[in-house]
Amino acid sequence: EVQLVESGGGLVQPGGSLKLSCAASGFTFSGSAIHWVRQASGKGLEWVGRIRDKPNNYATAYAASVRGRFTISRDDSKNTAYLQMNSLNTDDTAVYFCSRWVTDTPTPLDYWGQGTLVTVSS
Amino acid sequence: DIVMTQTPLSLSVTPGQPASISCKSSQSLLDSYGRTYLYWYLQKPGQSPQLLIYEVSNRFSGVPDRFSGSGSGTDFTLKISRVEAEDVGVYYCMQSMQLPPITFGQGTRLEIK
Repeated sequence: EVQLVESGGGLVQPGGSLKLSCAASGFTFSGSAIHWVRQASGKGLEWVGRIRDKPNNYATAYAASVRGRFTISRDDSKNTAYLQMNSLNTDDTAVYFCSRWVTDTPTPLDYWGQGTLVTVSS
Repeated sequence: DIVMTQTPLSLSVTPGQPASISCKSSQSLLDSYGRTYLYWYLQKPGQSPQLLIYEVSNRFSGVPDRFSGSGSGTDFTLKISRVEAEDVGVYYCMQSMQLPPITFGQGTRLEIK
């Protein structure tokens, strides 16, 4: 069974940092890109960024709203992806989801984690 | 960035009746190889989004055939032939023609009358 489990969310002060994890199981993690998508309370979905697989040089891409502050990485030996978030502000308060896109398939974001809540507040 | 615009933003449907959601993109989602990068997702209350339709009209595994997608270029439609109670939630269209960024529509909330 494909599973993605996010962790690491919590309360952080403005200007602070937080690192989220996305633990995967039930599929070949090394053959998938991992995307992060966030959702503020009562709002829509906002794509945050993605990291591709090794054959695609672990290429990363980010939304303009987080570029330069957020960094996505992965450890294929642990089947885990990470979202390092720095210089957080109140606009970053949201539930953060990770999702997969299996390389060379036409079905993006076909499985999602349950999400982890990040609250940026003083 | 490609802007995705959904209409309506909410709809209330009697069980057994059809429903339709429109999604328009600010640029064509058709590439030079003939593929169109338009997808539909449903986020049920309290759940993560789930993929319904990929590349305009292909149902994802396990998606009931009452769901169908159509359209081309910049205009797309998701139709539910006979709405059921379990279809309640927020529907999003999404594009990956131009990445980054992937962009989503604002969402359409479906409720049952």
